Amino acid sequence: QKEVEQNSGPLSVPEGAIASLNCTYSDRGSQSFFWYRQYSGKSPELIMFIYSNGDKEDGRFTAQLNKASQYVSLLIRDSQPSDSATYLCAVNNFFYSSASKIIFGSGTRLSIRP
Amino acid sequence: EAQVTQNPRYLITVTGKKLTVTCSQNMNHEYMSWYRQDPGLGLRQIYYSMNVEVTDKGDVPEGYKVSRKEKRNFPLILESPSPNQTSLYFCASSSPGQGGRFYEQYFGPGTRLTVT
Repeated sequence: QKEVEQNSGPLSVPEGAIASLNCTYSDRGSQSFFWYRQYSGKSPELIMFIYSNGDKEDGRFTAQLNKASQYVSLLIRDSQPSDSATYLCAVNNFFYSSASKIIFGSGTRLSIRP
Repeated sequence: EAQVTQNPRYLITVTGKKLTVTCSQNMNHEYMSWYRQDPGLGLRQIYYSMNVEVTDKGDVPEGYKVSRKEKRNFPLILESPSPNQTSLYFCASSSPGQGGRFYEQYFGPGTRLTVT
């Protein structure tokens, strides 16, 4: 079993709809959770982080964390063609650090169709 | 401009020929990491460094070396490259976020390495 699992996709969503991306993790000691967006041929860029159970909203993005179920998700409202990218879920076990031991999922490819 | 730079961006080399990929950041970040990205496997951490002269292994350290003699630089060394090290490599650096509660990682542009 992979430590961080994501559906590879592609996930196809019509423009203007809500895109829902999911991630599960195996280590119950994980404390910090991140979503990165990566365009083809480019480097990853952080779009959301969360470390408490519940929802965290930032513009069109909402991250959801359920530690009991070991599940973290990313919702993108009013999806735009520019949201088409691969989304990487990442977790680590150090509450105040994202750089020490971080595990990435293999990513979900999202495609927004006009 | 705040950035992480890597050189070279593209490299084709032969098995066994030692190479170094440089990484430099101008943000005075304490933490730096190296990752490799392969299709279907995502990003895997090779080595990380919490500060000058402090380094530790990530998940796939075999065949790689690093050093952190200066805060801004974190080179990745392949002493004897092999074809299974053909990959896309990213360097990243981190600093505390608001109230020091998290560390956002900034990634370099990537180095595409081919070992024949």
